Amino acid sequence: NAGVTQTPKFQVLKTGQSMTLQCAQDMNHEYMSWYRQDPGMGLRLIHYSVGAGITDQGEVPNGYNVSRSTTEDFPLRLLSAAPSQTSVYFCASRESLFGQPQHFGDGTRLSIL
Amino acid sequence: QQQVKQSPQSLIVQKGGISIINCAYENTAFDYFPWYQQFPGKGPALLIAIRPDVSEKKEGRFTISFNKSAKQFSLHIMDSQPGDSATYFCAARKSGTSYGKLTFGQGTILTVHP
Repeated sequence: NAGVTQTPKFQVLKTGQSMTLQCAQDMNHEYMSWYRQDPGMGLRLIHYSVGAGITDQGEVPNGYNVSRSTTEDFPLRLLSAAPSQTSVYFCASRESLFGQPQHFGDGTRLSIL
Repeated sequence: QQQVKQSPQSLIVQKGGISIINCAYENTAFDYFPWYQQFPGKGPALLIAIRPDVSEKKEGRFTISFNKSAKQFSLHIMDSQPGDSATYFCAARKSGTSYGKLTFGQGTILTVHP
């Protein structure tokens, strides 16, 4: 009964490095999404997917790539990390496009030096 | 552009007191207003939600009050407990979009003293 699992929990990168944040869910949910959380900003949607092979941009997509090859996994890639991408990243899933509630992972805290 | 403004940023309440968190929105196309609760080191969890066709929704000690004409909604936590200490986010969804495309408020850090 894992729900949404995010790895790693913490990561420190140097500017320009690349990295993939992993997200996996075991609930067979079609809809998955990535948010970033910054102090005083709430959560902002980066990218989302409505099913395997289908992804779309959210509110703040620049600097991030995603893909969805399976229902279970939805990795987020930073191709060339920048200090502005220092944040806490949350992955979420839900059963369908208009289904509730959304289940969140416990987050990845990313620092970019 | 912050479409959902949340206040206060932080709130300290004594055990047994009432916690009140307010949100104001600008876009009249919003049609779904959830509140999320987040504990340190954890992801947000849906607490309670309301649609604009009702003025109030209550679930246990948690109540959402909604004022459509003022474009405001608030979360009331009755008989606040130390276990309620967390960050609370309001959010809003634009009509016709999926539930995942929410606009979040800035968050309120609630501390309930024993």
